[in-house]
Amino acid sequence: QQQVKQSPQSLIVQKGGISIINCAYENTAFDYFPWYQQFPGKGPALLIAIRPDVSEKKEGRFTISFNKSAKQFSLHIMDSQPGDSATYFCASRGSNYKLTFGKGTLLTVNP
Amino acid sequence: GAGVSQSPSNKVTEKGKDVELRCDPISGHTALYWYRQSLGQGLEFLIYFQGNSAPDKSGLPSDRFSAERTGGSVSTLTIQRTQQEDSAVYLCASSTNMGDTEAFFGQGTRLTVV
Repeated sequence: QQQVKQSPQSLIVQKGGISIINCAYENTAFDYFPWYQQFPGKGPALLIAIRPDVSEKKEGRFTISFNKSAKQFSLHIMDSQPGDSATYFCASRGSNYKLTFGKGTLLTVNP
Repeated sequence: GAGVSQSPSNKVTEKGKDVELRCDPISGHTALYWYRQSLGQGLEFLIYFQGNSAPDKSGLPSDRFSAERTGGSVSTLTIQRTQQEDSAVYLCASSTNMGDTEAFFGQGTRLTVV
């Protein structure tokens, strides 16, 4: 079973702090690792993604760190804002282009 | 429309009744997913269609659940003899099978079984 394990299940951060969400995958054939953001009442939407040939990708306050040898990747949200409060999902793409999602992390940023 | 469309947006049904949930993917997208999301929970994979390949049904929780995709486009998720534990938001997503595969999600169908 190809799995993506995500942690923590929930996270509370103060405004201005750093939010860190971690994911681990099993299949070394995975070749694309996106993060999705979901607000209440909405479907998840792509936030940022990385390929395994780089160790880090940054877009604004959002950074993905990728450790190929450990089969782990993480999302860092710098200067976290209350508007970042949402559920975040990591995912990995397999050989048949199927995306496998983690269970999600509920992030709450307190003002 | 430009996005993934799901209907109905809300469905209330009586226990034991059958329901059909519809998903219109983005035109040209060959991959289509169904997920279930219970209140405050993560995404539970149900089924994956990719082009003309046999669907990956490994996530369907019981034989009461089935899905089909006609003509490689519209998909219908059917739940027979609904139970209260089927109450959840059912999300559909579609994507291409090339490049950096972004999955576009619909708004979901909120199913309530009473």
